[in-house]
Amino acid sequence: AQKVTQAQTEISVVEKEDVTLDCVYETRDTTYYLFWYKQPPSGELVFLIRRNSFDEQNEISGRYSWNFQKSTSSFNFTITASQVVDSAVYFCALSEAGRNTPLVFGKGTRLSVIA
Amino acid sequence: DTAVSQTPKYLVTQMGNDKSIKCEQNLGHDTMYWYKQDSKKFLKIMFSYNNKELIINETVPNRFSPKSPDKAHLNLHINSLELGDSAVYFCASSYRDGRTEAFFGQGTRLTVV
Repeated sequence: AQKVTQAQTEISVVEKEDVTLDCVYETRDTTYYLFWYKQPPSGELVFLIRRNSFDEQNEISGRYSWNFQKSTSSFNFTITASQVVDSAVYFCALSEAGRNTPLVFGKGTRLSVIA
Repeated sequence: DTAVSQTPKYLVTQMGNDKSIKCEQNLGHDTMYWYKQDSKKFLKIMFSYNNKELIINETVPNRFSPKSPDKAHLNLHINSLELGDSAVYFCASSYRDGRTEAFFGQGTRLTVV
């Protein structure tokens, strides 16, 4: 069965600090997709990134970067030079290709960035 | 144009009432979902429809009945509402083969009083 674990329930950092949000997943499939979503205080779910299981290249998008390591079943998310607008709940999610399985979410990490 | 739209955004109702939440997607996706987000922010799948066919029905009370008149619409009807049904309900859509991310509606905050 698929499972996503986000061990950090809440993180608080001071503005401009770097912060890493951890995500560990479990799946028996060899083909799967990993995602990060952001949920700001306004409540909507904002897609950040999608990564398939065959692509272990790390990705950088502005202040955001993602580290995918199949050997440790992890897909961690780093925000560099955090800003107050980064304050949100961040969800890691997993879907298994071709199994009719929907996104399974971790429990989320609430990030508070303090000015 | 809104990709996934659900209405209403807020719903306040009394225990025992019946209510519906509507969802529509204009992305051409073949699969739609309902998720429930509880007070602790945990997102849990409730239902999944592929081309109007129910493919996933998690352990959800049968007071909840999804209806998909076509692959662009997935509505959620809830009978005999209970206090514990208070939550945020999200509609989402995607391709079944996972070629893209799931797109979410803005959520419906249901409060049962």
